[in-house]
Amino acid sequence: GNSVTQMEGPVTLSEEAFLTINCTYTATGYPSLFWYVQYPGEGLQLLLKATKADDKGSNKGFEATYRKETTSFHLEKGSVQVSDSAVYFCALSDSGGGADGLTFGKGTHLIIQP
Amino acid sequence: GAGVSQSPRYKVAKRGQDVALRCDPISGHVSLFWYQQALGQGPEFLTYFQNEAQLDKSGLPSDRFFAERPEGSVSTLKIQRTQQEDSAVYLCASSLMDSSYEQYFGPGTRLTVT
Repeated sequence: GNSVTQMEGPVTLSEEAFLTINCTYTATGYPSLFWYVQYPGEGLQLLLKATKADDKGSNKGFEATYRKETTSFHLEKGSVQVSDSAVYFCALSDSGGGADGLTFGKGTHLIIQP
Repeated sequence: GAGVSQSPRYKVAKRGQDVALRCDPISGHVSLFWYQQALGQGPEFLTYFQNEAQLDKSGLPSDRFFAERPEGSVSTLKIQRTQQEDSAVYLCASSLMDSSYEQYFGPGTRLTVT
């Protein structure tokens, strides 16, 4: 079956540091890949997505590239801010994401210190 | 416009009680999903509806869990004879069946079984 593995947290960084959160996956076929974010006290929100190999998803300064050869979708940001503190979830879907359930990783709690 | 809403936001049940959790999806969204999120874990898929048809219930953990969406809009997740291991946040998400395939999540219902 499908599975997603992401680095465990918490990850604590200083403001303006470079961020990488690793995510690898196991799936049959060609899944779509997602990063969701959960800010304190809020619901899950889609941060970015990629639907085929070598696609790069980007939003709010975050980027992730769909690497089929390494089955990875690592999340990166060049300069983090305190407002980026949240829990980040990597996820995959066998379809585009609207027609079947998502498979999530366990989440990575990111803490940015001023 | 209005997002996905869920009620109640918090529910405390004694072991053995039945509970009903409600989800109001975004108007016009064809797809509806239920997930279970245990503390410190990522959401796990429970079941999926397309309009009123329940197309996938492979994630329901036992026959004590039952979901319905009789008119293709509001959905109810029912848990019979609750057990302590049912304590979790139950998330609902909805989606348009279009190329974006983004799932929009509600705030969740936190169920505590005592």
